[in-house]
Amino acid sequence: GAVVSQHPSRVICKSGTSVKIECRSLDFQATTMFWYRQFPKQSLMLMATSNEGSKATYEQGVEKDKFLINHASLTLSTLTVTSAHPEDSSFYICSARASEGAFFGQGTRLTVV
Amino acid sequence: EDQVTQSPEALRLQEGESSSLNCSYTVSGLRGLFWYRQDPGKGPEFLFTLYSAGEEKEKERLKATLTKKESFLHITAPKPEDSATYLCAGGTSYGKLTFGQGTILTVHP
Repeated sequence: GAVVSQHPSRVICKSGTSVKIECRSLDFQATTMFWYRQFPKQSLMLMATSNEGSKATYEQGVEKDKFLINHASLTLSTLTVTSAHPEDSSFYICSARASEGAFFGQGTRLTVV
Repeated sequence: EDQVTQSPEALRLQEGESSSLNCSYTVSGLRGLFWYRQDPGKGPEFLFTLYSAGEEKEKERLKATLTKKESFLHITAPKPEDSATYLCAGGTSYGKLTFGQGTILTVHP
Protein backbone atom coordinates (compact mmCIF):
# COMPACT_ATOMS: atom_id res chain seq x y z
CA GLY A 1 0.00 0.00 0.00
CA ALA A 2 0.87 3.68 -0.15
CA VAL A 3 3.27 5.05 2.45
CA VAL A 4 2.75 8.12 4.59
CA SER A 5 5.66 9.20 6.74
CA GLN A 6 5.25 11.40 9.81
CA HIS A 7 8.01 13.06 11.79
CA PRO A 8 8.87 13.25 14.63
CA SER A 9 7.36 10.18 16.24
CA ARG A 10 7.51 11.77 19.67
CA VAL A 11 8.37 15.20 21.00
CA ILE A 12 8.51 16.80 24.41
CA CYS A 13 8.36 20.56 24.59
CA LYS A 14 8.04 23.26 27.21
CA SER A 15 4.80 25.10 27.73
CA GLY A 16 4.60 28.20 25.54
CA THR A 17 6.82 26.92 22.75
CA SER A 18 5.77 25.81 19.26
CA VAL A 19 6.16 22.39 17.70
CA LYS A 20 6.09 21.46 14.02
CA ILE A 21 5.01 18.03 12.79
CA GLU A 22 5.66 16.92 9.20
CA CYS A 23 3.59 14.55 7.10
CA ARG A 24 4.88 13.27 3.78
CA SER A 25 3.35 11.02 1.15
CA LEU A 26 6.35 9.00 -0.03
CA ASP A 27 5.18 7.25 -3.17
CA PHE A 28 2.18 9.23 -4.31
CA GLN A 29 0.95 12.79 -4.55
CA ALA A 30 -1.73 14.04 -2.23
CA THR A 31 -3.57 17.28 -2.94
CA THR A 32 -5.43 16.75 0.30
CA MET A 33 -4.15 15.53 3.62
CA PHE A 34 -5.93 15.22 6.94
CA TRP A 35 -4.86 15.81 10.52
CA TYR A 36 -6.37 13.82 13.37
CA ARG A 37 -5.98 13.87 17.11
CA GLN A 38 -6.37 10.86 19.35
CA PHE A 39 -6.71 10.90 23.14
CA PRO A 40 -5.88 7.80 25.21
CA LYS A 41 -8.34 4.97 24.69
CA GLN A 42 -10.37 7.07 22.28
CA SER A 43 -10.80 7.05 18.53
CA LEU A 44 -9.45 9.48 16.00
CA MET A 45 -11.04 12.89 15.72
CA LEU A 46 -10.55 14.93 12.57
CA MET A 47 -8.99 18.31 13.28
CA ALA A 48 -8.51 19.79 9.84
CA THR A 49 -8.20 19.15 6.14
CA SER A 50 -5.02 20.35 4.51
CA ASN A 51 -5.28 21.50 0.89
CA GLU A 52 -2.25 21.95 -1.32
CA GLY A 53 -1.84 25.56 -2.31
CA SER A 54 -4.80 26.87 -0.31
CA LYS A 55 -6.01 27.40 3.23
CA ALA A 56 -6.79 24.48 5.49
CA THR A 57 -10.34 23.70 6.52
CA TYR A 58 -10.79 23.27 10.26
CA GLU A 59 -13.42 21.22 12.06
CA GLN A 60 -15.74 22.92 14.47
CA GLY A 61 -14.07 23.68 17.79
CA VAL A 62 -10.51 23.48 16.48
CA GLU A 63 -8.55 26.71 16.94
CA LYS A 64 -6.98 27.63 13.63
CA ASP A 65 -4.58 30.06 15.26
CA LYS A 66 -3.27 27.36 17.57
CA PHE A 67 -2.98 24.60 15.00
CA LEU A 68 -1.35 26.09 11.92
CA ILE A 69 -1.41 23.94 8.82
CA ASN A 70 0.68 24.42 5.72
CA HIS A 71 0.44 22.23 2.62
CA ALA A 72 3.30 23.58 0.57
CA SER A 73 3.64 20.76 -1.95
CA LEU A 74 1.83 17.69 -3.23
CA THR A 75 3.79 15.48 -0.84
CA LEU A 76 4.18 17.56 2.32
CA SER A 77 1.82 18.96 4.92
CA THR A 78 2.90 20.41 8.26
CA LEU A 79 1.02 20.98 11.49
CA THR A 80 2.44 23.55 13.90
CA VAL A 81 1.11 23.59 17.44
CA THR A 82 1.68 27.16 18.56
CA SER A 83 2.16 28.27 22.16
CA ALA A 84 1.65 24.71 23.31
CA HIS A 85 0.11 24.00 26.70
CA PRO A 86 -0.19 20.75 28.65
CA GLU A 87 -3.76 20.25 27.41
CA ASP A 88 -2.37 20.05 23.85
CA SER A 89 -0.55 16.87 24.82
CA SER A 90 -1.97 14.15 22.60
CA PHE A 91 -1.29 11.77 19.73
CA TYR A 92 -1.45 13.55 16.37
CA ILE A 93 -1.83 11.54 13.18
CA CYS A 94 -1.90 12.59 9.55
CA SER A 95 -3.57 10.85 6.64
CA ALA A 96 -3.52 11.04 2.87
CA ARG A 97 -5.88 9.49 0.36
CA ALA A 98 -4.35 7.31 -2.33
CA SER A 99 -6.18 5.42 -5.07
CA GLU A 100 -6.50 2.25 -3.03
CA GLY A 101 -7.51 3.84 0.25
CA ALA A 102 -6.67 6.33 2.98
CA PHE A 103 -3.27 5.81 4.59
CA PHE A 104 -1.96 7.09 7.88
CA GLY A 105 1.37 8.19 9.22
CA GLN A 106 2.96 6.63 12.27
CA GLY A 107 1.65 9.35 14.53
CA THR A 108 3.39 11.91 16.76
CA ARG A 109 3.18 11.73 20.52
CA LEU A 110 3.31 15.32 21.80
CA THR A 111 3.98 15.93 25.47
CA VAL A 112 3.92 19.50 26.74
CA VAL A 113 5.56 20.01 30.12
CA GLU B 1 -24.66 14.04 11.63
CA ASP B 2 -22.40 11.24 10.42
CA GLN B 3 -22.06 8.42 12.89
CA VAL B 4 -20.11 5.17 13.08
CA THR B 5 -20.65 2.72 15.93
CA GLN B 6 -18.56 -0.35 16.61
CA SER B 7 -19.34 -3.34 18.77
CA PRO B 8 -18.27 -4.92 20.96
CA GLU B 9 -15.94 -2.43 22.65
CA ALA B 10 -13.64 -5.26 23.66
CA LEU B 11 -13.41 -8.89 22.61
CA ARG B 12 -11.31 -11.60 24.19
CA LEU B 13 -10.78 -14.78 22.20
CA GLN B 14 -8.82 -17.95 22.57
CA GLU B 15 -6.37 -18.71 19.81
CA GLY B 16 -8.29 -20.40 17.00
CA GLU B 17 -11.69 -19.13 18.17
CA SER B 18 -13.30 -17.35 15.21
CA SER B 19 -15.54 -14.32 15.70
CA SER B 20 -16.86 -11.14 14.09
CA LEU B 21 -16.64 -7.42 14.79
CA ASN B 22 -19.53 -5.14 13.87
CA CYS B 23 -19.56 -1.62 12.45
CA SER B 24 -22.86 0.22 12.00
CA TYR B 25 -22.78 3.46 10.04
CA THR B 26 -24.83 6.45 9.09
CA VAL B 27 -22.70 8.57 6.78
CA SER B 28 -24.20 10.87 4.20
CA GLY B 29 -22.56 10.59 0.83
CA LEU B 30 -20.66 7.46 1.82
CA ARG B 31 -17.85 6.67 -0.57
CA GLY B 32 -16.15 3.80 1.11
CA LEU B 33 -16.16 1.93 4.40
CA PHE B 34 -12.63 1.52 5.75
CA TRP B 35 -11.14 -0.97 8.19
CA TYR B 36 -7.89 -0.37 10.03
CA ARG B 37 -5.76 -2.12 12.60
CA GLN B 38 -4.07 0.04 15.23
CA ASP B 39 -1.36 -1.13 17.58
CA PRO B 40 -0.60 0.89 20.75
CA GLY B 41 1.34 4.08 20.04
CA LYS B 42 1.12 3.71 16.26
CA GLY B 43 -0.95 5.09 13.44
CA PRO B 44 -3.76 3.03 11.90
CA GLU B 45 -2.68 0.35 9.43
CA PHE B 46 -4.90 0.10 6.35
CA LEU B 47 -6.73 -3.20 5.94
CA PHE B 48 -9.67 -2.84 3.55
CA THR B 49 -11.91 -0.44 1.70
CA LEU B 50 -15.42 -1.59 0.79
CA TYR B 51 -17.47 0.44 -1.64
CA SER B 52 -20.80 -1.26 -2.23
CA ALA B 53 -23.25 -3.51 -0.41
CA GLY B 54 -22.44 -7.16 -0.97
CA GLU B 55 -18.75 -6.54 -1.44
CA GLU B 56 -16.29 -8.77 0.41
CA LYS B 57 -12.52 -8.57 0.80
CA GLU B 58 -10.08 -10.95 2.42
CA LYS B 59 -6.57 -10.73 3.78
CA GLU B 60 -5.04 -13.69 5.59
CA ARG B 61 -7.34 -14.45 8.53
CA LEU B 62 -9.49 -11.36 8.04
CA LYS B 63 -12.57 -10.96 5.89
CA ALA B 64 -14.60 -7.78 5.62
CA THR B 65 -18.17 -7.59 4.36
CA LEU B 66 -20.53 -4.70 3.74
CA THR B 67 -24.30 -4.20 3.78
CA LYS B 68 -26.24 -0.97 3.38
CA LYS B 69 -26.12 -0.30 7.12
CA GLU B 70 -23.31 -2.41 8.54
CA SER B 71 -19.93 -3.88 7.96
CA PHE B 72 -18.45 -6.94 9.58
CA LEU B 73 -14.85 -7.93 10.11
CA HIS B 74 -14.64 -11.69 10.44
CA ILE B 75 -11.56 -13.15 12.06
CA THR B 76 -10.97 -16.82 11.34
CA ALA B 77 -8.76 -18.88 13.65
CA PRO B 78 -7.10 -15.82 15.20
CA LYS B 79 -3.57 -15.87 16.56
CA PRO B 80 -2.13 -13.79 19.43
CA GLU B 81 -0.47 -11.48 16.91
CA ASP B 82 -3.93 -10.44 15.72
CA SER B 83 -4.42 -8.66 19.05
CA ALA B 84 -4.93 -4.95 18.35
CA THR B 85 -7.61 -2.29 18.15
CA TYR B 86 -9.68 -2.56 14.99
CA LEU B 87 -11.18 0.65 13.68
CA CYS B 88 -13.79 1.18 11.03
CA ALA B 89 -14.48 4.50 9.37
CA GLY B 90 -16.97 5.88 6.88
CA GLY B 91 -15.44 7.99 4.11
CA THR B 92 -16.94 10.61 1.85
CA SER B 93 -15.88 11.49 -1.66
CA TYR B 94 -14.12 14.44 -0.13
CA GLY B 95 -11.86 12.04 1.72
CA LYS B 96 -12.95 12.86 5.24
CA LEU B 97 -13.21 9.82 7.55
CA THR B 98 -15.59 9.42 10.46
CA PHE B 99 -14.25 6.80 12.85
CA GLY B 100 -15.97 4.45 15.23
CA GLN B 101 -14.65 3.99 18.76
CA GLY B 102 -12.86 0.79 17.87
CA THR B 103 -12.92 -2.78 19.12
CA ILE B 104 -10.03 -3.91 21.29
CA LEU B 105 -9.28 -7.51 20.34
CA THR B 106 -7.21 -9.71 22.62
CA VAL B 107 -6.31 -13.22 21.49
CA HIS B 108 -4.98 -15.51 24.18
CA PRO B 109 -2.66 -18.41 23.31
